[in-house]
Amino acid sequence: EAGVAQSPRYKIIEKRQSVAFWCNPISGHATLYWYQQILGQGPKLLIQFQNNGVVDDSQLPKDRFSAERLKGVDSTLKIQPAKLEDSAVYLCASSLGYGANQPQHFGDGTRLSIL
Amino acid sequence: TQLLEQSPQFLSIQEGENLTVYCNSSSVFSSLQWYRQEPGEGPVLLVTVVTGGEVKKLKRLTFQFGDARKDSSLHITAAQPGDTGLYLCAGASGGSYIPTFGRGTSLIVHP
Repeated sequence: EAGVAQSPRYKIIEKRQSVAFWCNPISGHATLYWYQQILGQGPKLLIQFQNNGVVDDSQLPKDRFSAERLKGVDSTLKIQPAKLEDSAVYLCASSLGYGANQPQHFGDGTRLSIL
Repeated sequence: TQLLEQSPQFLSIQEGENLTVYCNSSSVFSSLQWYRQEPGEGPVLLVTVVTGGEVKKLKRLTFQFGDARKDSSLHITAAQPGDTGLYLCAGASGGSYIPTFGRGTSLIVHP
């Protein structure tokens, strides 16, 4: 089966600019996650979707970050405006079902550098 | 404060050595997952442990879930250069469905 697809792989922007990331999960996977992974740390969950509804976005900086999954399939994550501390790898993952035991399948991420 | 504390943070060993990495918490977890992440890639699931005291083996890797479901360990026997990577534990506690990751243990195995 095809894995989780993410694009772009790399992005370099200046602070205060906007950027968007795209994720296409594994076909049939109902749950989609966006994570932020800063160098030297584990992934931090930003937002979790169940189909096209938001399950949790408690750690999403909503003043600058937004995400949508309109048709319950692919998803976009946007940052506007970007800050220096947003430099990180943004990982998308999907799982077939919903729950703590569900194995998550990750994409290779988008590496964002803010100048 | 990290909900899941992983130790050691870094580990550099020679091929053939054995090692153990730990994942500890003050909270009870319904399950814990172990992932391995290689540079430039996303994490890949190795195993899920669910029952307190459970032991699972995956070739040279042995995973154990603590009796109280607050900690877990990963033991690698006769490490190989292909084992190099960042080992992450993840779980959800207190009935939550929101997964939390530890900071990981970065392992380098030298040939």
